[in-house]
Amino acid sequence: TQLLEQSPQFLSIQEGENLTVYCNSSSVFSSLQWYRQEPGEGPVLLVTVVTGGEVKKLKRLTFQFGDARKDSSLHITAAQTGDTGLYLCAGEPGGTSYGKLTFGQGTILTVHP
Amino acid sequence: DTAVSQTPKYLVTQMGNDKSIKCEQNLGHDTMYWYKQDSKKFLKIMFSYNNKELIINETVPNRFSPKSPDKAHLNLHINSLELGDSAVYFCASSHRGVYGYTFGSGTRLTVV
Repeated sequence: TQLLEQSPQFLSIQEGENLTVYCNSSSVFSSLQWYRQEPGEGPVLLVTVVTGGEVKKLKRLTFQFGDARKDSSLHITAAQTGDTGLYLCAGEPGGTSYGKLTFGQGTILTVHP
Repeated sequence: DTAVSQTPKYLVTQMGNDKSIKCEQNLGHDTMYWYKQDSKKFLKIMFSYNNKELIINETVPNRFSPKSPDKAHLNLHINSLELGDSAVYFCASSHRGVYGYTFGSGTRLTVV
């Protein structure tokens, strides 16, 4: 069974600060996806990274996939109160295990004004 | 609106009852899923169907039975509900070969 360790579990910061969320595994994934979930809603896909070493930017969010495709990070620059939410990483094994997403435990981010 | 829609949003029922949750997607995706999110927000896959064929069946009690009448619908029937079944159940869809999944807004099941 593939596991994804996501850290930190909770993050409470002031508006304007930077933060990084990590996702680590001993297994290789064909893709690593990041989702954001609001209360009472389902996860919404932010980005997918598929190539080792890949870096993707989405406004103030920067996503990185490790060279060995076993880990990933999400960095938010100058956090805003609107960034508050639950962030989830999810790894996809690929091949015959297509669709079997393994989720991390999630990071609850609270950005204070 | 193109989306994954599931009903009902909330379901409160007594132990021992049988209940169903329905899911529909109009995105043209060929694969649909059921995920369970526990009280600690941990998401775990339960089932997956590709073009009406069951392709993933995780270690789930056989009281849970998915049914896919066509590739746009995936329903979940639960027999003899237990207290431990209380959770939020999410339907999702994707297109094989394309990364990324679209989730419904969830069904919060409470068994009392």
